[in-house]
Amino acid sequence: KNQVEQSPQSLIILEGKNCTLQCNYTVSPFSNLRWYKQDTGRGPVSLTIMTFSENTKSNGRYTATLDADTKQSSLHITASQLSDSASYICVVSATGNQFYFGTGTSLTVIP
Amino acid sequence: ETGVTQTPRHLVMGMTNKKSLKCEQHLGHNAMYWYKQSAKKPLELMFVYSLEERVENNSVPSRFSPECPNSSHLFLHLHTLQPEDSALYLCASSQRQGLNSYEQYFGPGTRLTVT
Repeated sequence: KNQVEQSPQSLIILEGKNCTLQCNYTVSPFSNLRWYKQDTGRGPVSLTIMTFSENTKSNGRYTATLDADTKQSSLHITASQLSDSASYICVVSATGNQFYFGTGTSLTVIP
Repeated sequence: ETGVTQTPRHLVMGMTNKKSLKCEQHLGHNAMYWYKQSAKKPLELMFVYSLEERVENNSVPSRFSPECPNSSHLFLHLHTLQPEDSALYLCASSQRQGLNSYEQYFGPGTRLTVT
């Protein structure tokens, strides 16, 4: 069964600290993996997209990693800011235009 | 804000009402999607319109009816909804080419409350 699991479910960190969010998947055949940021009451916005051959990709303070062998991905946020408070969703695509969504990690950054 | 717009942003309706949600994409994409987002659940894919082909999730009740008059516009017609249908409804679009799954761009969503 194609599934995407994210951990932790929620996370609270102090402003300026780093954090890492995890995504494990069983989707096959794998096409790509995306991390989205969703602010409260808004639609998800793409942060990164990674294909099978990519191990690391950065977007500002966000760095995503992908281990296609173990089917794991992580999103590392450096020097967190209050505006990073949001839900972070991992989405894995299978060939054939199939998308599988994780339940998301709710991140709260406090001053 | 993305190139996908949705109206209305908020909707409160009774169980006997009929309403429609509208989505418009300005990105030149050829596929559009409706998702339902309930609290603490993954996004649930409801419908896909791709190259004038409609694909639907068989678990979606018939009280939800999609319409895609062209590649830029997507509607979700609602009738005789239930309170458990209250959720955030998200529209997305993407460029689909063969078997390739390109990035989806999401609209801001419509917050629906069924009373």
